[in-house]
Amino acid sequence: KQEVTQIPAALSVPEGENLVLNCSFTDSAIYNLQWFRQDPGKGLTSLLLIQSSQREQTSGRLNASLDKSSGRSTLYIAASQPGDSATYLCAVLTYGQNFVFGPGTRLSVLP
Amino acid sequence: GAVVSQHPSWVICKSGTSVKIECRSLDFQATTMFWYRQFPKQSLMLMATSNEGSKATYEQGVEKDKFLINHASLTLSTLTVTSAHPEDSSFYICSALGLAGRGSPDTQYFGPGTRLTVL
Repeated sequence: KQEVTQIPAALSVPEGENLVLNCSFTDSAIYNLQWFRQDPGKGLTSLLLIQSSQREQTSGRLNASLDKSSGRSTLYIAASQPGDSATYLCAVLTYGQNFVFGPGTRLSVLP
Repeated sequence: GAVVSQHPSWVICKSGTSVKIECRSLDFQATTMFWYRQFPKQSLMLMATSNEGSKATYEQGVEKDKFLINHASLTLSTLTVTSAHPEDSSFYICSALGLAGRGSPDTQYFGPGTRLTVL
């Protein structure tokens, strides 16, 4: 059974810092991996999608890497801003076409 | 981009009543939609997979008689929480797997969620 974990559970940093969020999954047989952002009381916003054949995706200040063989993904956020404060979820899409989500990392960027 | 809507966005009901939540893909067709629920401070949990024109597939531990799912068209799936109880209070999120139109077939598009509170 696929399990997804995320470290750290919570992170508080001053504005401007570069930071790394980690995601691990137990079964490397995945279709793709996505990083989501969740704001309180709102639905998920998809940030980056990495197909199983890819190793990296970038969007603006966000960069996500995928090492499928080791079951790891990292989300790198450059020059963090207070508006980046949210919970970040990673999720793997199994070949059965359902997501398995991690518990999330709660990020607070202090002005 | 592809848009998925949910209605209502929030609902409060009395214990014992039934609540229907709609999930619509607005500008693309989706043969497959998923229903998730999220309890506070916990990760999202897949409840069921909804396929157009066939019975939904429920995850282990999810009562199919309590959470009725109907996927009557390529753009609409409904989740009915029957005889709701306070422990059913949660955030319910649907997603649609892109098939045709603006949706990419490799991507799930999520609705904004419905917050259900059962008194």
